[in-house]
Amino acid sequence: DIVMTQTPLSSPVTLGQPASISCRSSQSLVHSDGNTYLSWLQQRPGQPPRLLIYKISNRFSGVPDRFSGSGAGTDFTLKINRVEAEDVGVYYCMQATQFPYTFGQGTNLEIK
Amino acid sequence: EVQLVQSGAEVKKPGESLMISCQGSGYSFANFRVAWVRQMPGKGLEWLGIIYAGDSYTTYSPSFQGQVTISVDKSTSTAYLQCSSLKASDSAMYYCARLQHEAFDMWGQGTMVTVSS
Repeated sequence: DIVMTQTPLSSPVTLGQPASISCRSSQSLVHSDGNTYLSWLQQRPGQPPRLLIYKISNRFSGVPDRFSGSGAGTDFTLKINRVEAEDVGVYYCMQATQFPYTFGQGTNLEIK
Repeated sequence: EVQLVQSGAEVKKPGESLMISCQGSGYSFANFRVAWVRQMPGKGLEWLGIIYAGDSYTTYSPSFQGQVTISVDKSTSTAYLQCSSLKASDSAMYYCARLQHEAFDMWGQGTMVTVSS
């Protein structure tokens, strides 16, 4: 199985300041079709997860442009330009390059 | 509106079986894959398996193979998750999710399962 490791596991951030979450995979996420199937999900308290980013850097419909994704191979990053109160929650990276699909442990974003 | 609507909360006794449903609407159900994801209380997300609604081709996580069964009824645009011989450790929130661009772009609201004697 591909192991997804996120850092940090907890991130206290001041409103209006940037935040960054790292995700590292135990092997390359480049699929044989040339795509890299790394996505980012946000889970607000008491809600189901919500897709933010797919294929490393593609923002999903309705996601604010303060969210951005980058990376390649085994190292990926989710950045939030200016954190807002509604961004509080747990963020997960997920790989769908190889079965079984696997998630990172989650990063808890909280406001200082 | 594109949505996945799951069946309601369940309370079961150890050893009992369970089937929860996930009905899609607002899109061509048969053209997409639907996955099931487990979230134990206070924990992260675990992928159980995925089914292609068009032909019912299913892939399971090795960690859950033999413990769960995923099926689909195209006529009602509904996916199902069956669990048998439930244990207290199966108590969790179970989500269905649609796969598009190899990412889960739509999620059900979740079904809380409690297994207790």
